[in-house]
Amino acid sequence: EDQVTQSPEALRLQEGESSSLNCSYTVSGLRGLFWYRQDPGKGPEFLFTLYSAGEEKEKERLKATLTKKESFLHITAPKPEDSATYLCAGRGGYSTLTFGKGTMLLVSP
Amino acid sequence: GAVVSQHPSWVICKSGTSVKIECRSLDFQATTMFWYRQFPKQSLMLMATSNEGSKATYEQGVEKDKFLINHASLTLSTLTVTSAHPEDSSFYICSAASGRAGNEQFFGPGTRLTVL
Repeated sequence: EDQVTQSPEALRLQEGESSSLNCSYTVSGLRGLFWYRQDPGKGPEFLFTLYSAGEEKEKERLKATLTKKESFLHITAPKPEDSATYLCAGRGGYSTLTFGKGTMLLVSP
Repeated sequence: GAVVSQHPSWVICKSGTSVKIECRSLDFQATTMFWYRQFPKQSLMLMATSNEGSKATYEQGVEKDKFLINHASLTLSTLTVTSAHPEDSSFYICSAASGRAGNEQFFGPGTRLTVL
């Protein structure tokens, strides 16, 4: 059974304090590791897709990396508007996504 | 591009009634649509996958007679919760994929269902 585990469950940062979110996965025949941002009461917003170990992608203050067992979402000098829940999902052989529970990030001014 | 809408954004209904939720891809044709359910502080759980013009594929443990899915066109899928009960109260989210390379799923804004 495919599994995706995210840590920490919640993270509180001061504005400008860089950190990383972790996503450990066991997905058979991985066909993509996805990162989404979800604001309260909203649907997930697509951020990145990573396909192979060693791949990195960046968007503004976010950078996603992938190894054979984990993915990291690095947040550099976060701002309060980066506060959200960040979801990680793996797509396996049946093309369906298995989501982790998410990391709730709160960035204080 | 890749905008997905849902209607309604929230609904309150009495126990025993049926509720229909619409999911539309506004600027692309969605060969596949997905329906998820999310409980507070929990992960998105896939309920079913539907392809245009064919029957939906339901995940294990999801009652297909209770959660009716219709994918009548390449831009519209509907989820009907039949004879809703309080335990069906949840956040229902749809997503759509175009079937092109990458096959990213684009999510709708979600529908909050509360059954009294």
